[in-house]
Amino acid sequence: SQKIEQNSEALNIQEGKTATLTCNYTNYSPAYLQWYRQDPGRGPVFLLLIRENEKEKRKERLKVTFDTTLKQSLFHITASQPADSATYLCALEDGNAGKSTFGDGTTLTVKP
Amino acid sequence: NAGVTQTPKFQVLKTGQSMTLQCAQDMNHEYMSWYRQDPGMGLRLIHYSVGAGITDQGEVPNGYNVSRSTTEDFPLRLLSAAPSQTSVYFCASSYSRGGAVKETQYFGPGTRLLVL
Repeated sequence: SQKIEQNSEALNIQEGKTATLTCNYTNYSPAYLQWYRQDPGRGPVFLLLIRENEKEKRKERLKVTFDTTLKQSLFHITASQPADSATYLCALEDGNAGKSTFGDGTTLTVKP
Repeated sequence: NAGVTQTPKFQVLKTGQSMTLQCAQDMNHEYMSWYRQDPGMGLRLIHYSVGAGITDQGEVPNGYNVSRSTTEDFPLRLLSAAPSQTSVYFCASSYSRGGAVKETQYFGPGTRLLVL
């Protein structure tokens, strides 16, 4: 089965800096990979999706990269703000099996 | 659109009791799924459905049943609750591009279950 590792449980950075979160997987390359944000006591909210044939995807201050050789996705938040503080989850999608595998998440804290 | 709704928001059960967690979506999504999330952990897939009348097991299906009689509803049944089933349960739905292929998942607000 697919295994996912997200870097350190917690990441603390200063406001204005770039936060970089890592998602590594161990087995087959997924059809696509998604990043979600989860605030305490709430359900995850979709942020970005990147397909296996895409190297990079951007949305406002967010950027996701996908390296199938390294079996890794990087999630960047530029010009970070305290409001970006949350837990970020990556999810891998097996295109045909209909099953999603989620990482344990990285909790980001942006300090003013 | 209400999106994905879940009831109840919070439930306390005694060991051995049964209950049904309700999930409904109004986006006409074919794909629906149930996850559980334990403290400090990610989401683990319990059961999923690619359309009305079709369900399949996820990573942790034991102790749970599901059915999908309509596109809108996907209830999760706990047959005989155990303390190990204390968790937060999330329902999600997504548009399916044919069969099992899906993309963005929309999550409900969750049901917090405590089994004593």
